Amino acid sequence: DTGVSQNPRHKITKRGQNVTFRCDPISEHNRLYWYRQTLGQGPEFLTYFQNEAQLEKSRLLSDRFSAERPKGSFSTLEIQRTEQGDSAMYLCASSRLIFGQGTNTGELFFGEGSRLTVL
Amino acid sequence: SQKIEQNSEALNIQEGKTATLTCNYTNYSPAYLQWYRQDPGRGPVFLLLIRENEKEKRKERLKVTFDTTLKQSLFHITASQPADSATYLCALGSSGGYQKVTFGIGTKLQVIP
Repeated sequence: DTGVSQNPRHKITKRGQNVTFRCDPISEHNRLYWYRQTLGQGPEFLTYFQNEAQLEKSRLLSDRFSAERPKGSFSTLEIQRTEQGDSAMYLCASSRLIFGQGTNTGELFFGEGSRLTVL
Repeated sequence: SQKIEQNSEALNIQEGKTATLTCNYTNYSPAYLQWYRQDPGRGPVFLLLIRENEKEKRKERLKVTFDTTLKQSLFHITASQPADSATYLCALGSSGGYQKVTFGIGTKLQVIP
């Protein structure tokens, strides 16, 4: 099994470098989410995908951030020209949208996160 | 603006007692509310969900209530154990075709043996 898998678990980089995180969701889940969490805060929504379509992106997400889910399976989150303020835990979650079921209230299954430290 | 409030102060209780955590929200009409547990350095784990038309839900030692008039949810852990020590996150979900889930900052619970 198959829970949500994230790689790498830890990344230390220098300011100005680019980093990429990968998320492999639970296989039958069609929705994938990226959240960011800093110490003492709750997860903050970044973006989400339904299959390969990116349906919403937080206004807080700068142009240096880009996410893809090319085949509706795994997803990548890239941060270009990293800044110290990008240091955080990047969490990926997946869920299953059931069409025709009114309000979907599916639980989010989170990975263990990718911790980014920008020096 | 939308706001979700959870006690930022840690909650310390004695083993065996009931822990009660509070989640208040403003400028929000959630279709449902979820509670998650998060251990240090780990991702959140789903515990319970309650819909806007439900008053109470139970699962083993856990109970959650939802009062849409007060705009408040209470999360109870009965017969608490040291293993229940963790941060508990409240999350609100919007209605409509997609599930955008917004989290509070969480309350850290410490159960003292």
